[in-house]
Amino acid sequence: DTGVSQNPRHKITKRGQNVTFRCDPISEHNRLYWYRQTLGQGPEFLTYFQNEAQLEKSRLLSDRFSAERPKGSFSTLEIQRTEQGDSAMYLCASSKETGSLSELFFGSGTQLSVL
Amino acid sequence: AQSVTQLGSHVSVSEGALVLLRCNYSSSVPPYLFWYVQYPNQGLQLLLKYTSAATLVKGINGFEAEFKKSETSFHLTKPSAHMSDAAEYFCAVKPGGYNKLIFGAGTRLAVHP
Repeated sequence: DTGVSQNPRHKITKRGQNVTFRCDPISEHNRLYWYRQTLGQGPEFLTYFQNEAQLEKSRLLSDRFSAERPKGSFSTLEIQRTEQGDSAMYLCASSKETGSLSELFFGSGTQLSVL
Repeated sequence: AQSVTQLGSHVSVSEGALVLLRCNYSSSVPPYLFWYVQYPNQGLQLLLKYTSAATLVKGINGFEAEFKKSETSFHLTKPSAHMSDAAEYFCAVKPGGYNKLIFGAGTRLAVHP
């Protein structure tokens, strides 16, 4: 078990470009979450999956954002037509479905900088 | 709406001194409460969680937190700070019936010799 893996660790892009991030959860975890964290703030919930089903999306997730988890394993988060306000750390977490107290395990995040 | 307020964005203590990081929550139903720690360039790591089994919760690295319903608080403490405790600490609430965590803004703890 190597924990939650996120790639890339850093991404620098120009405004208007599309970017895609990948998250590989812990293998037996069926829940997967995406959060966004900006400097000086706590992580903000974006969306979560149970297996391949996307069960909840935050209103923070605009039309330019899309997340997928096609086979219930890894997930991708795509941002289209990036804006400078998208610059943030994007965190992925996973958990087992064992009730409300199941612990979320976080990856190290992908730091996005939009120039 | 459920929310978490962490009082003090920065806390500085001397090595060996008491650590107290404050967290107040707002929830219309009994919540589940968590403290996470984030070291530089790393993901968040669970320190402890409130399960409603006991109001005083012990976590890793000598930290503990006490749930006080009357004060809607879940403050994090450690009797004696160590240099390695320097990090950012996040309080989080998982309202009953929800599957997501709502985080506070975080408190950055500095420990000086």
